[in-house]
Amino acid sequence: GAGVSQSPSNKVTEKGKDVELRCDPISGHTALYWYRQRLGQGLEFLIYFQGNSAPDKSGLPSDRFSAERTGESVSTLTIQRTQQEDSAVYLCASGGLNYNEQFFGPGTRLTVL
Amino acid sequence: GNSVTQMEGPVTLSEEAFLTINCTYTATGYPSLFWYVQYPGEGLQLLLKATKADDKGSNKGFEATYRKETTSFHLEKGSVQVSDSAVYFCALRNAGGTSYGKLTFGQGTILTVHP
Repeated sequence: GAGVSQSPSNKVTEKGKDVELRCDPISGHTALYWYRQRLGQGLEFLIYFQGNSAPDKSGLPSDRFSAERTGESVSTLTIQRTQQEDSAVYLCASGGLNYNEQFFGPGTRLTVL
Repeated sequence: GNSVTQMEGPVTLSEEAFLTINCTYTATGYPSLFWYVQYPGEGLQLLLKATKADDKGSNKGFEATYRKETTSFHLEKGSVQVSDSAVYFCALRNAGGTSYGKLTFGQGTILTVHP
């Protein structure tokens, strides 16, 4: 596709349920990033992939959060046993080898009731 | 660690007014600096960037100059339009290390321009 896509666009879930968020990066982009934007706040870095390895997971808030990536393609962010404080917009971005620009997807708005 | 501080919003202006959104940063080394914009209902887009001290980034009438001495990257536009209404984010990128490319964002500034 022409840009980064994410699915679903909106997800409403009940506290305690698991959710999976998907990111399809721009074809050929080796770098992939997940960020979180809570209401009224800036974007927080969660995790960075280079290919299918994750050299930096320092932004994952707890062990309920995990992510994986298949090759230089799709990434999935999984949140287990969701809590109300997980409610946020989850953004994915991809970038090429020169790291000069990250292209962002439209985000997934997660609401935990 | 790295951090970015933006002026608090929201900012409300009349069309053709002058815009300044302040941004200051804390970082080790020599980060690259960015302004991203999020229009209503759309994803984040890169507006402009500067990769070294004294560089000026510009796009769509917006400008920002990388000032290392004041650790600032203020966004300016001489005459805003209604279509500039959006949320603006200042960001910096780590230089090197295991997270080359990771962005640190400010909290965002909401700009509303009235006709």
